[in-house]
Amino acid sequence: QVQLQETGPGLVKPSQTLSLTCTVSGGSISSGPYYWTWIRQPAGKGLEWIGRFHTSESTNYNPSLRSRVTISVDTSKNQFSLQLSSVTAADTAVYFCARGSIGGANWFDPWGQGTLVTVSS
Amino acid sequence: DIQMTQSPSSLSASVGDRVTITCRPSQSISSYLNWYQQKPGKAPEVLIYAASSLQSGVPSRFSGSGSGTDFTLTISSLQPADFATYYCQQSYTTPITFGQGTRLEIK
Repeated sequence: QVQLQETGPGLVKPSQTLSLTCTVSGGSISSGPYYWTWIRQPAGKGLEWIGRFHTSESTNYNPSLRSRVTISVDTSKNQFSLQLSSVTAADTAVYFCARGSIGGANWFDPWGQGTLVTVSS
Repeated sequence: DIQMTQSPSSLSASVGDRVTITCRPSQSISSYLNWYQQKPGKAPEVLIYAASSLQSGVPSRFSGSGSGTDFTLTISSLQPADFATYYCQQSYTTPITFGQGTRLEIK
């Protein structure tokens, strides 16, 4: 059973770079046709897709964040990472990593438990 | 971006009630529509994928229907565990987008 776990600093200063890692266990990040995805949710608000990585395709980002986002994968550690630069208070949110299916419906399952990142000085 | 509009935004219902939540994308998305349930402090969990396919392990009281620009999630007989927030999500094109959520509360 595949499980995902987000790790990273819970507090980031404005203008700095937010860095999170998602560790995948119970399966290889290199096997299977999946999109490895980041999603975020500000407190009390809805879900925002940040972007995704697939080992055989180009990485896709939300245009609203594209200039600031990088998603990368370390297959040797079975991890994928999110970097978001020049953060502001608007980037304060719970950040989730998730596995996305391929083949049209692209639903997300499983998800990590989520990690709260607060942007504040 | 495809805008996903859910209705209602909130709903009060009783155990045993039949409940329907609607999701309308701003353009046709064929059947590329998924539904999630989220409880406070937890990650969302997929209930329905590809508009009408029940995810493994999800109770059969949940069902989905629709295509194009009109989708529904139906809970046939509400159980206490069903009081949560529900989101629709389109995967027709990137950026992938979600509805604003429907909060289902106990009456």
